[in-house]
Amino acid sequence: GENVEQHPSTLSVQEGDSAVIKCTYSDSASNYFPWYKQELGKRPQLIIDIRSNVGEKKDQRIAVTLNKTAKHFSLHITETQPEDSAVYFCAASGGGGNKLTFGTGTQLKVEL
Amino acid sequence: SAVISQKPSRDICQRGTSLTIQCQVDSQVTMMFWYRQQPGQSLTLIATANQGSEATYESGFVIDKFPISRPNLTFSTLTVSNMSPEDSSIYLCSVGDSYSGANVLTFGAGSRLTVL
Repeated sequence: GENVEQHPSTLSVQEGDSAVIKCTYSDSASNYFPWYKQELGKRPQLIIDIRSNVGEKKDQRIAVTLNKTAKHFSLHITETQPEDSAVYFCAASGGGGNKLTFGTGTQLKVEL
Repeated sequence: SAVISQKPSRDICQRGTSLTIQCQVDSQVTMMFWYRQQPGQSLTLIATANQGSEATYESGFVIDKFPISRPNLTFSTLTVSNMSPEDSSIYLCSVGDSYSGANVLTFGAGSRLTVL
């Protein structure tokens, strides 16, 4: 089955700096890669996703890049703000049906 | 996206008892899933809830421990049977977005179970 690795597990940045979270996946048949943000005590919320026919996607301060050859994808957050502080999960699906396999999560802390 | 109501939101349970979690969606959805999130951990898929047939369980999860029902396209239940402290987790219902593709998941608020 699919295996998704995520790094780093924790990330501290100063407000206004950029943050990058990286994930790798194992199943070359995977074709959908979402990112979820989970604030403390809340449900995971989809923030951005990318499909395998696209190399990059942006939504305001958030961008995701995908390298299918290397089987890795990354989340980029620019001009970070305190409200970006949360746990971020990457995920992959498509090779084994519609189910998502999640990475281990990254605790992002944006410091003032 | 679909609106998911999940209950109970939290419960404290005694060892050896069972608890059923309900997931109600405001629209018909093709795909429904149950995830577990242990404290400080990632989300692990328990099973896919199939309408009108037995759920499809992931490795490490069995029907006797986590029986699932899905009588229609808007409702599902997950039972955690014969609970032990190791079952203390958040259990989340999720549904696939039929407009954007079944992969796009929306999550319920979760049910936080504490087993004493």
